[in-house]
Amino acid sequence: GQQVMQIPQYQHVQEGEDFTTYCNSSTTLSNIQWYKQRPGGHPVFLIQLVKSGEVKKQKRLTFQFGEAKKNSSLHITATQTTDVGTYFCGSSNTGKLIFGQGTTLQVKP
Amino acid sequence: GAGVSQSPSNKVTEKGKDVELRCDPISGHTALYWYRQSLGQGLEFLIYFQGNSAPDKSGLPSDRFSAERTGGSVSTLTIQRTQQEDSAVYLCASSLGAGGGFEQYFGPGTRLTVT
Repeated sequence: GQQVMQIPQYQHVQEGEDFTTYCNSSTTLSNIQWYKQRPGGHPVFLIQLVKSGEVKKQKRLTFQFGEAKKNSSLHITATQTTDVGTYFCGSSNTGKLIFGQGTTLQVKP
Repeated sequence: GAGVSQSPSNKVTEKGKDVELRCDPISGHTALYWYRQSLGQGLEFLIYFQGNSAPDKSGLPSDRFSAERTGGSVSTLTIQRTQQEDSAVYLCASSLGAGGGFEQYFGPGTRLTVT
């Protein structure tokens, strides 16, 4: 079945450093969605990418969808303590949204 | 209501008892999902309803788990003869449609503890 692998599982950075999480699949994905879950909270939608090579930005966050539509990345520039949480990618090739295992980001002030 | 609601927010039950978890999706959302999240883990897909179609039950871990969605709105997830490994946060999400193009709105979850 469809699987989406996400790396790394954990990342600790100093405030101000950059952070990147990667989402990979062995099959072509029709779309990628990214969600953020704050500690103790529930996942909240960030963005969706559907086009090959697509790049979208939200302030300090940059989202990319690979040319082959088999991978995606989320890059945060100059992390802040408010960026703490778990970032999930997900894809819905078959209707249901299947998530990667998530990357938990810790930011040291 | 403004968002997806779930009840109860916390449930403690004894091993072997049955539990029912409720999800009220956003009005007008045709797709409804249940996920399970164990402590520090990812989002495990359980079941998915889309309109009047037969639900996709492929993620249910055992036949002790079942779910229904009445009138295309409220959904209940039932776990029979609960086991300690069922302890987790159960998250419900809804979306305007299924598949690509529709963001999911998550509820706050029900934290289930089986003692």
